Amino acid sequence: DQQVKQNSPSLSVQEGRISILNCDYTNSMFDYFLWYKKYPAEGPTFLISISSIKDKNEDGRFTVFLNKSAKHLSLHIVPSQPGDSAVYFCAARDGRGNQFYFGTGTSLTVIP
Amino acid sequence: GAGVSQSPSNKVTEKGKDVELRCDPISGHTALYWYRQSLGQGLEFLIYFQGNSAPDKSGLPSDRFSAERTGGSVSTLTIQRTQQEDSAVYLCASSYLRTGNNQPQHFGDGTRLSIL
Repeated sequence: DQQVKQNSPSLSVQEGRISILNCDYTNSMFDYFLWYKKYPAEGPTFLISISSIKDKNEDGRFTVFLNKSAKHLSLHIVPSQPGDSAVYFCAARDGRGNQFYFGTGTSLTVIP
Repeated sequence: GAGVSQSPSNKVTEKGKDVELRCDPISGHTALYWYRQSLGQGLEFLIYFQGNSAPDKSGLPSDRFSAERTGGSVSTLTIQRTQQEDSAVYLCASSYLRTGNNQPQHFGDGTRLSIL
């Protein structure tokens, strides 16, 4: 039972344009959401997070939006750079404990 | 400071052998997680340690899998009588848990396990 879903396995974007990565979840007890970036042969690296009490968090080129009513999370990267090419994982924490659930990832390619 | 360290980085072994994977978390981190990522899949939760509490073993796929965390620091994941379906990247993560403060997990680079 996949509680966190990333329905787009891949995304290609031109350099300088906006990249939008999407994530849907089913568990209303999730209280903390995160995005990780992963390069080949490396572990995931924390990118940005948002608490369930907020609807937006911004850090430089990266913004995460949370729509709790739709149980939808998105990551915006503006402007996209070739170095952003990686696999992006969405994750969520169940507020009843400390277990995290991950999506299957979206592979982003930024074309120079 | 040092990040999460995992060893070995790669392990190739024959079916039926036992393997032991090691994780050194970030110093001071109270929580430690093990995940598995099979080819083309997302991260599958295996087990979670938090301080001196009993570990959450709900993700372990079979009784061939076990893990321990000694002294609240280093953890080892043991797979007995390995099967080919155990081939995957095994990732360890740690975080500092504090009430009322959200903290992300920090991951090691994983151990790539290949069962022949």
